Amino acid sequence: GAVVSQHPSRVICKSGTSVKIECRSLDFQATTMFWYRQFPKKSLMLMATSNEGSKATYEQGVEKDKFLINHASLTLSTLTVTSAHPEDSSFYICSAPPDAGSLETQYFGPGTRLLVL
Amino acid sequence: QKEVEQNSGPLSVPEGAIASLNCTYSDRGSQSFFWYRQYSGKSPELIMFIYSNGDKEDGRFTAQLNKASQYVSLLIRDSQPSDSATYLCAVPSGAGSYQLTFGKGTKLSVIP
Repeated sequence: GAVVSQHPSRVICKSGTSVKIECRSLDFQATTMFWYRQFPKKSLMLMATSNEGSKATYEQGVEKDKFLINHASLTLSTLTVTSAHPEDSSFYICSAPPDAGSLETQYFGPGTRLLVL
Repeated sequence: QKEVEQNSGPLSVPEGAIASLNCTYSDRGSQSFFWYRQYSGKSPELIMFIYSNGDKEDGRFTAQLNKASQYVSLLIRDSQPSDSATYLCAVPSGAGSYQLTFGKGTKLSVIP
């Protein structure tokens, strides 16, 4: 079946540094990808919609200058957490609906666990 | 803003019993509903989706939708310890949208 990968799966960084997380659709094209964040014992919250060839759309309360999104191709979206702080420590998950898919064929990546010290 | 409410649990059931998970949603216009299972430290995986009022069965799983009551449930028959996970209810954020609004999830523990 269709697969979405994320890299890295786990990252630890120092406060103030930037971290890049990649989301790839491995065997399908995805013009749109979504980035979610999940804090411990909380649900997934949509952060932004990544659009190939155009600017990302951010949800209310998400700082676009802090969470930089680049959808470089039809199979790759990257999320860069700039000047990371401990409160950014979370589980970041991307999802990608295939361009030719239906609502139930949205695939989630395995997630990236970020720990900012 | 759409809201999806779930009892956070934990819900404990003995092995072999029926587990019943419930979800209510705020937007009467919502048309599709999804149940995801999330194991600890993993990303969600789709278990069931339902669009029409009534029941939809898939193996040991049954989704039930009542649009008048804005209520959707998931029944797991013959519960197994491997079913122990957090179950997330989700609805699209807009008509035909792939963006999902998730409930907080119900943690299910199946006791051997």
